[in-house]
Amino acid sequence: QTVVTQEPSLTVSPGETLTLTCASSTGAVTSAYYPNWFQQKPGQAPRPLIYSTSNKHSWTPARFSGSLLGDKAALTLSGVQPEDEADYYCLLYYDGAWVFGGGTKLTVL
Amino acid sequence: QVQLQESGPGLVKPSQTLSLTCTVSGGSVTSAGDYWSWIRQPAGKGLEWIGRVYTSGTTHYNPSLKSRLSISLDTSKNQVSLKLSSVTAADTAVYYCARELEIWGQGILVTVSS
Repeated sequence: QTVVTQEPSLTVSPGETLTLTCASSTGAVTSAYYPNWFQQKPGQAPRPLIYSTSNKHSWTPARFSGSLLGDKAALTLSGVQPEDEADYYCLLYYDGAWVFGGGTKLTVL
Repeated sequence: QVQLQESGPGLVKPSQTLSLTCTVSGGSVTSAGDYWSWIRQPAGKGLEWIGRVYTSGTTHYNPSLKSRLSISLDTSKNQVSLKLSSVTAADTAVYYCARELEIWGQGILVTVSS
């Protein structure tokens, strides 16, 4: 069974830059996995941020960016804001099926 | 603007079939190239991709749910349906529908309990 791994939790101060990662149990994550990133705040539906590794939706704040970093997919927040406190999920594509990572709980202190 | 609304029973008995509907407004379920997904989230836990259906009718399912799962389109009602059979308490979750992972419904809580 394929497992997608994210940092369980991260803490950052406002204004800092932070990178969340997304690893696959099958090996290196490439663009062929079409990495997606979602933000979810309590009581809300997930909000898509990034698709196909680095593409932003029209509503995605400029401070969010996606990339491949080494053998992982990555989501970078440049200049974290208090409202960025949320859970973040990556999603990878495997031959017809998608698999979510376990999520990263981001705390902004 | 496309909007999605999930609906269905909020309570399902164990061993029964969970049936949900996603009603699409502001767009068509038959828009060429689109696909429609279902995702679920148990309380306090992470997201789980359930499966998807293309406008062509082609489906892809989560292997762990495949034997119990059916996702289809009802073009006459502009809806996407989800049927999950032989449910247990482990299927208790908020269920979301989404268009191509981009546009999401607000979700519906389904509890499996006798």
